[in-house]
Amino acid sequence: SYVLTQPPSVSVAPGKTARITCGGNNIGSKSVHWYQQKPGQAPVLVIYYDSDRPSGIPERFSGSNSGNTATLTISRVEAGDEADYYCQVWDSSSDSWVFGGGTKLTVL
Amino acid sequence: EVQLVESGGGLVQPGGSLRLSCAASGFTFSSYDMHWVRQATGKGLEWVSAIGTAGDTYYPGSVKGRFTISRENAKNSLYLQMNSLRAGDTAVYYCARARYYYDGFDYWGQGTLVTVSS
Repeated sequence: SYVLTQPPSVSVAPGKTARITCGGNNIGSKSVHWYQQKPGQAPVLVIYYDSDRPSGIPERFSGSNSGNTATLTISRVEAGDEADYYCQVWDSSSDSWVFGGGTKLTVL
Repeated sequence: EVQLVESGGGLVQPGGSLRLSCAASGFTFSSYDMHWVRQATGKGLEWVSAIGTAGDTYYPGSVKGRFTISRENAKNSLYLQMNSLRAGDTAVYYCARARYYYDGFDYWGQGTLVTVSS
């Protein structure tokens, strides 16, 4: 089955840029969705179809996808961005939705 | 306001069964694909099942043959029948919606906890 690999943790100072990667074999040929999950809360969709933002999501959140890596970029990071982030793709070979293992973003 | 409210979780013995429900409101339920996603404590997200607007169903190998997803559009409700439960099925179960099957899941419920233990 298809595997998505995320770093377990990323740390960034307030006001700086955080980049969270999601690796997968030729992931650039797939559409990637990204979710933010804060402790005790349900996930929230922050990026869909690689780089689109749902209404209500700040422009500071952006996404890209090419080759074997998709990236969620959070600009001008705020304390409120501290959360777990998950990438997601549809794997047609197994007819399954696949999530990455998640990345804990820590704002220093 | 879109709302998804799960219920039906609880403690069940290994080999037992449980039926989860998800009550939807604030949108045209029949027009959306619906999903179940679970999360074990301290772990990541795992997709469990999906049902399309036409009633077509999808499952990963880990639950195929044990879990059954269904929907009742007249009641704006989504269900997950879970049989032959195992300790590894212990998790918070979320329902989520997607406008089309390959879309991201744009609204999620708050989840219901299922504990499989003797």
